[in-house]
This record gives sequence, C-alpha cells and structure tokens, in this order.
Amino acid sequence: SQQGEEDPQALSIQEGENATMNCSYKTSINNLQWYRQNSGRGLVHLILIRSNEREKHSGRLRVTLDTSKKSSSLLITASRAADTASYFCAPGNQGGKLIFGQGTELSVKP
Amino acid sequence: ETGVTQTPRHLVMGMTNKKSLKCEQHLGHNAMYWYKQSAKKPLELMFVYSLEERVENNSVPSRFSPECPNSSHLFLHLHTLQPEDSALYLCASSQVGASYEQYFGPGTRLTVT
Repeated sequence: SQQGEEDPQALSIQEGENATMNCSYKTSINNLQWYRQNSGRGLVHLILIRSNEREKHSGRLRVTLDTSKKSSSLLITASRAADTASYFCAPGNQGGKLIFGQGTELSVKP
Repeated sequence: ETGVTQTPRHLVMGMTNKKSLKCEQHLGHNAMYWYKQSAKKPLELMFVYSLEERVENNSVPSRFSPECPNSSHLFLHLHTLQPEDSALYLCASSQVGASYEQYFGPGTRLTVT
C-alpha cells in the first residue's frame, strides 16, 4: 500500500516547544508530501520532498526523508497555538494519486 | 484561498433526495479528485479524473456518481444516500506530471437524515 502512517496519533505540547511527527510507508516513492488540516476544513499542502532529497526547510518546518528506512519526519519549531491541526503525510508516485493515513493530531497549548 | 472552491459548504438531505456537489478549480490543473472524510477515519479517495477521464473508482457505491465536464469542474451527484454517507466531502486538484501537490477545497459537510 502507498498509504503513509503517521506517528504519534496525538501530540500535545506547550507553545514555543518543538513538535516532531513521523511517517512510515511501504512502497517506493517519487516524493513525499505533508499536509495540514484545521478542524472541518480542507487540507493545505505544506511541503514536498523528492525521493532524492534528504532534508528540506520551509519557514519553521523541517522535513527529513530516509528512503532506506521508508520514513519521514516533520519538525515544527517554536510552535504556536495556530499550529493546532491534524498533520498528514502522503507518499506520492508519478501518477499523482495520494493515499492519506489517519494523521497526527497536534494540540499546541498557549 | 487555495484556488479550489466547493459548493454548497453544508448540505442536509433526506435518503430519497437527489443533490449534487460542485467543485471548481482556477489553477489550470489537469487532474481532479473526490475524497470522503468520515469522523475518526482516514481520508478515503473516491474518484480521480485525469485529463477529464476517470482513471480511478475505488469501489464507491453507485449512489455516488461523478461527472467531469471539463478540466476545471467536477461534480458529485448523490441519490438515495444512507446515513453512514454523512461526512465531509473534499475536492482537490493537481497538475500530474509536474508539481504533484494537491490543492484542496474547503469541503462540503453532508448530513443524510
């Protein structure tokens, strides 16, 4: 299955702390994407890392990819209450189809 | 704003009604998707259209009928739904063969009574 599986399922931290979420997958990929979903709304694309990349940064986000372990991590530094949301990873292939997992529910307390 | 709009945002319908969900993308993408998100479940990919041709149909019941009249519009026609079909229905678009990331609409919250 191309589905990504996020870990942990839920994470609660204080504002200012860093949040780390992990993703594992089973098949070979072309890229891996991370999305955020605020409650009851559509998903928002955060970052895409290609299979030949090991690390990528975007603002307070840092994504790593280890294709040998079929895993990725998303680090949010200096978290804010507005980062409270569900985060999903999605392994991608050239066909463009994405299969989403259950996600990690992040709660950042002020 | 992601460039993908969905209407209506909320819909309540009886099991004997017929309704349609509409999605429109203003991004010039060549692929569009319907997802279903039920409480406590992962997003379920329902249908994929690439270049206006349906390329994926994930064992979705026939009471859901998609239509893609052109690359910018996608519909989901609903008839004789069941209460378990109540969910958030999300539309997305992407440029297959280029950037791959999907852009989602805000969703339609459907309640079947």
